[in-house]
Amino acid sequence: GAVVSQHPSWVICKSGTSVKIECRSLDFQATTMFWYRQFPKQSLMLMATSNEGSKATYEQGVEKDKFLINHASLTLSTLTVTSAHPEDSSFYICSARRPEGRAYEQYFGPGTRLTVT
Amino acid sequence: GQQLNQSPQSMFIQEGEDVSMNCTSSSIFNTWLWYKQDPGEGPVLLIALYKAGELTSNGRLTAQFGITRKDSFLNISASIPSDVGIYFCAGQFAAGNKLTFGGGTRVLVKP
Repeated sequence: GAVVSQHPSWVICKSGTSVKIECRSLDFQATTMFWYRQFPKQSLMLMATSNEGSKATYEQGVEKDKFLINHASLTLSTLTVTSAHPEDSSFYICSARRPEGRAYEQYFGPGTRLTVT
Repeated sequence: GQQLNQSPQSMFIQEGEDVSMNCTSSSIFNTWLWYKQDPGEGPVLLIALYKAGELTSNGRLTAQFGITRKDSFLNISASIPSDVGIYFCAGQFAAGNKLTFGGGTRVLVKP
């Protein structure tokens, strides 16, 4: 159990367009989901914490108007990169936390590679 | 923000060798976690530690939660080719709180 999926697995878009990435917990309900960004050969950097039914909490330096997060249900969170630019090209990874699990238990999705041309 | 220093940044292994890596922090964590990430995939949890001094094994992997709660190490015994990948430590301050990741240790196979 505890499977998290992401869609799409990779996407190429033109500069100035918007891209939506979905994160789904397939076999459990996730009250909290996290969005990370990972540049090549670097670590995961937390972008925001998403709680079902409430506004996301963004980390310092992350533009909330550029990276729109919607956690509309207990199994789905979406990240929309608005007006994408080449510097937004990165590997975006989500994770989901089970409320009944241990506090540290975050299950990661397989990631979405975004390339902005 | 919080910083986790992970070392070494990279290492070469030969099949059968033991491998060690560690993480240190300037602050105390309540939970230490070790993940492995294969290329193009998300991290997979290897070991979780939630008590100072705790030593936990998962197959050929052994990890310890430092007494000071500011460090942790991961050992891989008798390495095999599939151990290649990037290993990340992560710390968590309190229940449900976000994870802070180390810079990663890239494990490669000796040519």
